[in-house]
Amino acid sequence: SQTIHQWPATLVQPVGSPLSLECTVEGTSNPNLYWYRQAAGRGLQLLFYSVGIGQISSEVPQNLSASRPQDRQFILSSKKLLLSDSGFYLCACGSSGANVLTFGAGSRLTVL
Amino acid sequence: DAKTTQPNSMESNEEEPVHLPCNHSTISGTDYIHWYRQLPSQGPEYVIHGLTSNVNNRMASLAIAEDRKSSTLILHRATLRDAAVYYCIPRQAGTALIFGKGTTLSVSS
Repeated sequence: SQTIHQWPATLVQPVGSPLSLECTVEGTSNPNLYWYRQAAGRGLQLLFYSVGIGQISSEVPQNLSASRPQDRQFILSSKKLLLSDSGFYLCACGSSGANVLTFGAGSRLTVL
Repeated sequence: DAKTTQPNSMESNEEEPVHLPCNHSTISGTDYIHWYRQLPSQGPEYVIHGLTSNVNNRMASLAIAEDRKSSTLILHRATLRDAAVYYCIPRQAGTALIFGKGTTLSVSS
């Protein structure tokens, strides 16, 4: 079965600072990887998805970017954080033909 | 993406069955019907999915209407741990999950 590791679990960052959230996956090869964000009191929003190394699709134009340097590594970044970037960031994983997505435990970001 | 309609909230008592409805009248023929739930401060977790036939697993049952325009997630005996937001999501295999607002289920002892 797939296991997703996300870190850091929580972080507090000042406005204008950079961001790097990391997601790594165990137990599968060539997975589809996804980044979601959940702002306080809001729904889950798909940010990025990737079907392979170096292949990133963006769902929503924003202050964030994603990269996939290795098969089972997915990174979410920002050069300058905004207050509106605060939220709960979730990485998810699924095989290309699979019906089930597995989610990580999430990274909770507070931008002050 | 198919649009879904779910009640904003539902309440249940412990040990009682819960029927969570979902309308998805614009579902395509190749969309599976997925249910995920999100407990407070956690990521979503898979509950069940189906295409046409009713499905059962250790967590729940899924009843799918014959015309596939609606489905019902059935929790046979609610526990306090079942209090969560439940999402009904039509989806093709291998694609992203697009979450709506879901149904917030409250369970009382």
